[in-house]
Amino acid sequence: EVQLVESGGGLVKPGGSLRLSCVASGFTFSSHSMNWVRQAPGKGLEWVSSITTSSRYIYYADSVKGRFTISRDNAKNSLSLQMDSLRAEDTAVYYCANMARGVFDFWGQGALVTVSP
Amino acid sequence: EIVLTQSPGTLSLSPGERATLSCRASQSISSNYLAWYQQKPGQAPRLLIYGASSRATAIPDRFSGSGSETDFTLTISRLEPEDFAVYYCQHSWTFGLGTKVEIK
Repeated sequence: EVQLVESGGGLVKPGGSLRLSCVASGFTFSSHSMNWVRQAPGKGLEWVSSITTSSRYIYYADSVKGRFTISRDNAKNSLSLQMDSLRAEDTAVYYCANMARGVFDFWGQGALVTVSP
Repeated sequence: EIVLTQSPGTLSLSPGERATLSCRASQSISSNYLAWYQQKPGQAPRLLIYGASSRATAIPDRFSGSGSETDFTLTISRLEPEDFAVYYCQHSWTFGLGTKVEIK
């Protein structure tokens, strides 16, 4: 059974930092591009960042470029998102998801990040 | 940048009725890379359809997808109570804003 389990969410003040983690099991992690997708309260889905299998290629949405850093450790089947200079508009549930055939095949349960004074 | 426009924003239907959801791309896209997701409150999205018309694993056959180039459709042939949810289309890293299917 495929499982993606996020952790690290919480409440942080504007300008602060937070690091999200996602641990994968049930599939060959090292063979899949991995992504972070977020969803602000009551809103739709927004892709945040993507990292290819060997970390060779990394992409960010314009809204987070220069503030967020995605990374992965294939030996530990883990994906991370370092979020710096957080803003109120970054408040969202953050999902990790793999990508195969151009689609987001499997999703974690999500980690809530709240940016508020 | 490709924009995906979903319509209607909300669809009010009764169980047993047919639901037709539209996703329109701002420019022609390969149907190989058009997907649909279902999301229920408090849950992560779930992949329903990939490649515009292929059902994902364990998705009931009342869900079907069709379309090409700029116009794509998700059809739910007969709505079951568990089908009332929000549906998103996706291409590459872009999502539509979603269609909410609610009970009439």
